[in-house]
Amino acid sequence: EVQLVESGGGLVKPGGSLRLSCAASGFTFSSYSMNWVRQAPGKGLEWVSSISSSSSYIYYADSVKGRFTISRDNAKNSLYLQMNSLRAEDTAVYYCARESGDYVEGWFDPWGQGTLVTVSS
Amino acid sequence: QSALTQPRSVSGSPGESVTISCTGTSSDVGGFEYVSWYQHHPGKVPKVLIYDVHKWPSGVSNRFSGSKSGNTASLTISGLQPEDDAYYYCCSYAGTYRVVFGGGTKLTVL
Repeated sequence: EVQLVESGGGLVKPGGSLRLSCAASGFTFSSYSMNWVRQAPGKGLEWVSSISSSSSYIYYADSVKGRFTISRDNAKNSLYLQMNSLRAEDTAVYYCARESGDYVEGWFDPWGQGTLVTVSS
Repeated sequence: QSALTQPRSVSGSPGESVTISCTGTSSDVGGFEYVSWYQHHPGKVPKVLIYDVHKWPSGVSNRFSGSKSGNTASLTISGLQPEDDAYYYCCSYAGTYRVVFGGGTKLTVL
């Protein structure tokens, strides 16, 4: 079964840091681009970042550029999101999502169950 | 990176059809044949309904159909069922490994 499981969410103070992880199973992780997508409370979905299969291509939404770092470890079938200088507006459920191939077109399937990040003092 | 524009809400009765629009620019929706649509029930995981403007992933009902004209994409849901009551998001490739979502549309099945 193709599965993505996020972890690492929690409560953090403004200006703090958090590292999210996404464990993949049931498919050849090293063959796919991966993404992080978030949903703030009461808001819509927002694409956060993407990384190609070999980490050669990495891109960020303007809202997180310079503060978040996406990475992956293909040997461990894992995707990561290092979040620094966190702000209240970063409060959201963070989903990892697989692309349909080693590119990005916005066809995300599957999605993980999400992990909640709350930034509050 | 502005969000794509969707109506905040639409509604319909069981058995009817509804169409949700998604308006972008020539840099996203109009520039690529990479528009996808997602159904999201609160508290659950988003589910892809349509990819590449009009294609169905395996297992998705053909009651959901997608199209595009210029900078506007559309999702039509025919034969509305109570379980279609959910949020719907369009998504478009926006060049150079970037993706943009619409603001979301709440479909209410009356």
